[in-house]
Amino acid sequence: EAQVTQNPRYLITVTGKKLTVTCSQNMNHEYMSWYRQDPGLGLRQIYYSMNVEVTDKGDVPEGYKVSRKEKRNFPLILESPSPNQTSLYFCASMKREGHEQYFGPGTRLTVT
Amino acid sequence: GDSVTQMEGPVTLSEEAFLTINCTYTATGYPSLFWYVQYPGEGLQLLLKATKADDKGSNKGFEATYRKETTSFHLEKGSVQVSDSAVYFCARRGAGGGNKLTFGTGTQLKVEL
Repeated sequence: EAQVTQNPRYLITVTGKKLTVTCSQNMNHEYMSWYRQDPGLGLRQIYYSMNVEVTDKGDVPEGYKVSRKEKRNFPLILESPSPNQTSLYFCASMKREGHEQYFGPGTRLTVT
Repeated sequence: GDSVTQMEGPVTLSEEAFLTINCTYTATGYPSLFWYVQYPGEGLQLLLKATKADDKGSNKGFEATYRKETTSFHLEKGSVQVSDSAVYFCARRGAGGGNKLTFGTGTQLKVEL
């Protein structure tokens, strides 16, 4: 089954404790992206990657890092989480020339 | 920059009522336009799309027409069902061919019996 998976689905952590949210897709898509969803703000792009070893900042990259060492994986790293990073995070992937972005199920992160 | 504006919710309708959710976009170039739907506890799914002016996207009884003259892409359905209850997001893709999606803030729809 073609899908985008994220782990964990739910995470509660404390300020400053490094964490990684994994994202994996099995569709051989070149493009991958991370979004955060906040009430009243819709989805905002954090980082994206056009292909392996190619990443770039989205609209709200501060406090986040990403890497793209393999085509299927695109982890999101929070080196020192803060409470304002409490949010619902979505990973998405797409073929380079495609139209549809495929979204993962989301990761709900709470930073206390 | 690119932006998308959609009507605020929540929208509450009775089953079989007519639905319209308004969406307008900034007219930078000729972007592709999308409606995504998010059911409770799930990620977003593409509902329909239109890639050029006057295109009509349709799926599951939902329709939206790309109106260049009014920079709009309103979502409509003639008869909603309880199972349509979800959050609906309008989005545009960069006119320059990039893959970035710019989303509206989302409109929550609740359909009651």
